[in-house]
Amino acid sequence: GDSVTQMEGPVTLSEEAFLTINCTYTATGYPSLFWYVQYPGEGLQLLLKATKADDKGSNKGFEATYRKETTSFHLEKGSVQVSDSAVYFCALAVSGGYNKLIFGAGTRLAVHP
Amino acid sequence: DVKVTQSSRYLVKRTGEKVFLECVQDMDHENMFWYRQDPGLGLRLIYFSYDVKMKEKGDIPEGYSVSREKKERFSLILESASTNQTSMYLCASSKTNLETQYFGPGTRLLVL
Repeated sequence: GDSVTQMEGPVTLSEEAFLTINCTYTATGYPSLFWYVQYPGEGLQLLLKATKADDKGSNKGFEATYRKETTSFHLEKGSVQVSDSAVYFCALAVSGGYNKLIFGAGTRLAVHP
Repeated sequence: DVKVTQSSRYLVKRTGEKVFLECVQDMDHENMFWYRQDPGLGLRLIYFSYDVKMKEKGDIPEGYSVSREKKERFSLILESASTNQTSMYLCASSKTNLETQYFGPGTRLLVL
C-alpha cells in the first residue's frame, strides 16, 4: 500500500546550519506531497506542498522538490533558526478523493544557538 | 483566518469510561478527520467524514466511533476507554477537492 518513510530523528543543528530531512514514498498513481510542521504544544500546520513531478514547494525558507524518479520529497533549508525547532512530517495525499493523507513518522528538529 | 478547535487540550479518564472528543471548524469544510498521534508512528487516521451523517473508517477504527450531525462539528467517541488509547488526538478539516488539511491543536488523552 501507500506509505511514507522519513529519516529518524532527532536532528540537532546549530543556528545557521544547513538542514536536510529525507522523505521517500511509495504510492500508486501520482500523489500530491506535503510537509507539515508541528511546533511544541500545537497542531500541525502545512509548510509546503507539491502536486506533480518536478514541482518545488517553498515557504519560510524551506524547499522541497517532488522527484518522481527517486520517489523522494526531501525538505531543505539553507540556514536554520532556533524558532525552526519542531517536528516535521512528510505526507502524501492518496489519489481518489476525500483528501486522505498518509504521514511519515515525523522528524524532530532541535536548533541550538 | 481558518480555525479548527478541539474541546479539550488535556483529558484524564478511567478505563471503561465513555469519552467524547469534540472538534469544530468554522471554514464550511466538507471533509473532517480524526487522527491519533503516537511517537514513532506519526499520525494514523481513525475515521473521516465527507458530509453530514456520512463517515468512513480509516486505518485504525477499532475501539472508536464518530458522529457528524452538523457540518461544522465532528465528534470522536471512545465507547469504553482502554489504556492503549492513551494518545494525542488531532482533528483536521479540508475543503472537497482541495488537499490542504487544517489541524486543531490536539487533545492529549490519558486513560488510567
